[in-house]
Amino acid sequence: AQSVTQLDSHVSVSEGTPVLLRCNYSSSYSPSLFWYVQHPNKGLQLLLKYTSAATLVKGINGFEAEFKKSETSFHLTKPSAHMSDAAEYFCVVRATSGTYKYIFGTGTRLKVLA
Amino acid sequence: DTAVSQTPKYLVTQMGNDKSIKCEQNLGHDTMYWYKQDSKKFLKIMFSYNNKELIINETVPNRFSPKSPDKAHLNLHINSLELGDSAVYFCASSPGVATGEQYFGPGTRLTVT
Repeated sequence: AQSVTQLDSHVSVSEGTPVLLRCNYSSSYSPSLFWYVQHPNKGLQLLLKYTSAATLVKGINGFEAEFKKSETSFHLTKPSAHMSDAAEYFCVVRATSGTYKYIFGTGTRLKVLA
Repeated sequence: DTAVSQTPKYLVTQMGNDKSIKCEQNLGHDTMYWYKQDSKKFLKIMFSYNNKELIINETVPNRFSPKSPDKAHLNLHINSLELGDSAVYFCASSPGVATGEQYFGPGTRLTVT
């Protein structure tokens, strides 16, 4: 069965410093992985996705993630945080059989300090 | 135009009442979903329909009944509302069951008093 673990429930960074949000996954087969962002009182927006093409995936708003099979990780990074990046971030793995449902991580709340 | 829309955005009601939440997508997708997000932000799949056919039905009380009149709509009806039903409910859609990413609606915040 597939699963994802977001290693930090809260991350605080200063504006202009790098962002690292960590996600480990478990999957028997080549997974499809996603990062979504949820701003306060908003719906979820797709940041980026990995579907077995390039291992370094670029997303919107300067975010990127690297798929590392050997480490079963899919960490989200951004070189320089902006105040508008403050939000909840979800790592998602899609099941590789059956109903192919999304399995969500528990989320990481990113706080950006001025 | 909004890709996935939900109505209402906020719903406040008393225990024991029956309420419905509507969802519409204009993306031409075949698959639609309902999720529940609790107060700790945890997201849990409730139902999914593909081409109007129910394909996912998680362990949800049978007070919750989804209905898909066509591919573009998936409504959620809740009978005999309980305090524990208070949450944000998200609708989503995707091109197919195993293809493409999911697009989420803005959510409906349900408060049961």
